[in-house]
Amino acid sequence: DQQVKQNSPSLSVQEGRISILNCDYTNSMFDYFLWYKKYPAEGPTFLISISSIKDKNEDGRFTVFLNKSAKHLSLHIVPSQPGDSAVYFCAASATQGAQKLVFGQGTRLTINP
Amino acid sequence: NAGVTQTPKFRVLKTGQSMTLLCAQDMNHEYMYWYRQDPGMGLRLIHYSVGEGTTAKGEVPDGYNVSRLKKQNFLLGLESAAPSQTSVYFCASNTGDANGEQFFGPGTRLTVL
Repeated sequence: DQQVKQNSPSLSVQEGRISILNCDYTNSMFDYFLWYKKYPAEGPTFLISISSIKDKNEDGRFTVFLNKSAKHLSLHIVPSQPGDSAVYFCAASATQGAQKLVFGQGTRLTINP
Repeated sequence: NAGVTQTPKFRVLKTGQSMTLLCAQDMNHEYMYWYRQDPGMGLRLIHYSVGEGTTAKGEVPDGYNVSRLKKQNFLLGLESAAPSQTSVYFCASNTGDANGEQFFGPGTRLTVL
């Protein structure tokens, strides 16, 4: 049972436009959500996070939106740059306890010049 | 700080062989984790530790053992490797504080023939 789902395996966006990556979850116990970025042959690196008490968190070009009623979150990248081309993973945790992360399958984002 | 390091980077095993993957972190983090990444499945938690001398099972623990004898090290063992354990293995750590991000190592690519 996939508790965190990223239904788009890939996304292609023109440089300078907005990239929107989506993530859905099923477990109501999740109260903290993170986005990680991964380049080939490297480990994932933390990008941005949001607590369930908020509906939006912004950091520079990156904004994460959380819709708890729909159990949906999205990552917006504006403007998109070639260096943003990577695989993006959505992850969720229930912060009580060991803070284990449950990951989505990932979305490969390609930014075209 | 080197952050999270993993040894080795690559390894090829024959079915039935054993090996140990080493993870080391120099950030004085309490919690450490082992994940595996397979195509189309994101990262899945194998085992984790919330402190020196403690370990616990994650989502996919079968065929693996772990030890955390020192706070800075987390070892993942395969006693009798199987082709289904061909994967990329990532180690991660975090402080254990609420809403703390996990820091990942660069990964170990393991092939079992």
